[in-house]
Amino acid sequence: AQSVTQPDIHITVSEGASLELRCNYSYGATPYLFWYVQSPGQGLQLLLKYFSGDTLVQGIKGFEAEFKRSQSSFNLRKPSVHWSDAAEYFCAAKGFGNEKLTFGTGTRLTIIP
Amino acid sequence: DSGVTQTPKHLITATGQRVTLRCSPRSGDLSVYWYQQSLDQGLQFLIQYYNGEERAKGNILERFSAQQFPDLHSELNLSSLELGDSALYFCASSVDMQSSYNEQFFGPGTRLTVL
Repeated sequence: AQSVTQPDIHITVSEGASLELRCNYSYGATPYLFWYVQSPGQGLQLLLKYFSGDTLVQGIKGFEAEFKRSQSSFNLRKPSVHWSDAAEYFCAAKGFGNEKLTFGTGTRLTIIP
Repeated sequence: DSGVTQTPKHLITATGQRVTLRCSPRSGDLSVYWYQQSLDQGLQFLIQYYNGEERAKGNILERFSAQQFPDLHSELNLSSLELGDSALYFCASSVDMQSSYNEQFFGPGTRLTVL
């Protein structure tokens, strides 16, 4: 079955420190991959997406993600986090020709001063 | 602001009741998707409509139904509500079902509380 796994339920990072959020997928073929962010009381905002090509993709708010086919991973990174980055982050995937997004369980990011 | 609007923002109702959630997609978007976010199930795809026709079904209960109207807005109807239906319901829209490069833009959600 197709699935997306986010192994970390909660991560705490100091402001200014680097961040990496993990995402692994299980699909028959390489899916299209996405990272969304959900701030409290808000909807989901797309941070970045990977369809094909360059395996390092840049997104909004200074985020980037690296696709690694050999590890079935699509980890999200940011070199220096800001207090406003505190939110819930969701990795998602969809197969070719399939419009349904499959989401991971999310990683809640807490930023400490 | 994604351009997708959902009403109401909050809804509190009792078990056994029926409610309707409304979604207006971004201007020009033909596809509408409904997702449910709950503590125990996470974010799950419910159903997709494209230009008025149902295109894909996910984990949608038989007590739930949806439709997309000629003006492309969509409604999700939830009936015989149970406590476990309490969740955040998201609507998303995208331009064209035919392209797998579609991004889905999400609305702010409707928080349903069943008492």
